[in-house]
Amino acid sequence: DTGVSQDPRHKITKRGQNVTFRCDPISEHNRLYWYRQTLGQGPEFLTYFQNEAQLEKSRLLSDRFSAERPKGSFSTLEIQRTEQGDSAMYLCASSLPNRGYTFGSGTRLTVV
Amino acid sequence: AQTVTQSQPEMSVQEAETVTLSCTYDTSESNYYLFWYKQPPSRQMILVIRQEAYKQQNATENRFSVNFQKAAKSFSLKISDSQLGDTAMYFCAFRPTGNQFYFGTGTSLTVIP
Repeated sequence: DTGVSQDPRHKITKRGQNVTFRCDPISEHNRLYWYRQTLGQGPEFLTYFQNEAQLEKSRLLSDRFSAERPKGSFSTLEIQRTEQGDSAMYLCASSLPNRGYTFGSGTRLTVV
Repeated sequence: AQTVTQSQPEMSVQEAETVTLSCTYDTSESNYYLFWYKQPPSRQMILVIRQEAYKQQNATENRFSVNFQKAAKSFSLKISDSQLGDTAMYFCAFRPTGNQFYFGTGTSLTVIP
């Protein structure tokens, strides 16, 4: 287990299309987080899972966004009807309680 | 509201010299954690150092150390003996009770050979 994996690394999509990203956390980490990072900014919290339960959602997570972690292992983040404003780096992180995050390399989304 | 402020968008330092990156935060909570993360160009974020607010002793990790001033809500990062590989974006992060991290806008550090 070499860390947090995210797939794909890059995604270019046309406005209005749906996209789905995958995150595989470190296997013993029960906590999983999704963040969004735009150019020149720090990461912004989107949502958090403890095992399979989605415990927190940011107001940034509009109804076009949905995240799942069905078996408490990998997670998916889906964006429906993408807009140009969705262009960003989407970061996944995992952790144990009260520890720092381990981040994945991110998925860079470009909506054209 | 929980906020993190990094007032230095860009900094540079000569190789082998020491540099300090500043960070302030705002919270009403008494128990929390503070972190510095490093994000090299086009690479993933890496945890540099971590500090628990209830600990008075400043955290140290090799060439990296912090100056944690709880009353002033200040959490600066000192990098000693700067190396070329330290060139990166540095983010200060704050985690109150709960699970959400709050990040600053980052400081871009360039180490000059």
